[in-house]
Amino acid sequence: EDKVVQSPLSLVVHEGDTVTLNCSYEVTNFRSLLWYKQEKKAPTFLFMLTSSGIEKKSGRLSSILDKKELFSILNITATQTGDSAVYLCAVRGEAYNTDKLIFGTGTRLQVFP
Amino acid sequence: DAGVIQSPRHEVTEMGQEVTLRCKPISGHDYLFWYRQTMMRGLELLIYFNNNVPIDDSGMPEDRFSAKMPNASFSTLKIQPSEPRDSAVYFCASSLIGQGGEKLFFGSGTQLSVL
Repeated sequence: EDKVVQSPLSLVVHEGDTVTLNCSYEVTNFRSLLWYKQEKKAPTFLFMLTSSGIEKKSGRLSSILDKKELFSILNITATQTGDSAVYLCAVRGEAYNTDKLIFGTGTRLQVFP
Repeated sequence: DAGVIQSPRHEVTEMGQEVTLRCKPISGHDYLFWYRQTMMRGLELLIYFNNNVPIDDSGMPEDRFSAKMPNASFSTLKIQPSEPRDSAVYFCASSLIGQGGEKLFFGSGTQLSVL
């Protein structure tokens, strides 16, 4: 069965700290891995990764994929209180002529001043 | 673009009542997804459509749940009869896959409470 596992479940840090969020997956015919940020309501898109070893970067956030070991990490440097959110990892696979996006349960990040 | 539009934002109903959730995807998107989010289970895919055709409904919990997409700009998710365990946030999302646009755009969700 396809699955996505995120760790840690929850993280509490102070402003300025660097955090690493983990996502491991098992999926049939992997196509892509996506990271989303969910603050209060709808998840918003951060990154999409399809190739191993190529870092995607946006400001203080960066992410990389390892297709051999089946995981991805999301790094946030110099965290700010505005980074407090649930970070969701999702994987798209292709099986039985369908292609679903399967989400992990998320990592809840709290950044305190 | 107004993004994915869902209605209502909040729905409170009594057990046994019929509930209908509505979604308008982003114009031009060819995929539409219905997700349910709870604290215990996270985001679960219920059903998705491609060009208005249901592709995979294996996530629909039981026969009480049904979804339709009569045209490219409208979809409904219906629960009849509703039960307290259906209480959750229901998200609709759309995307344009196949042109490098595999990312989903989510609506603001419908917070459903079944008493």
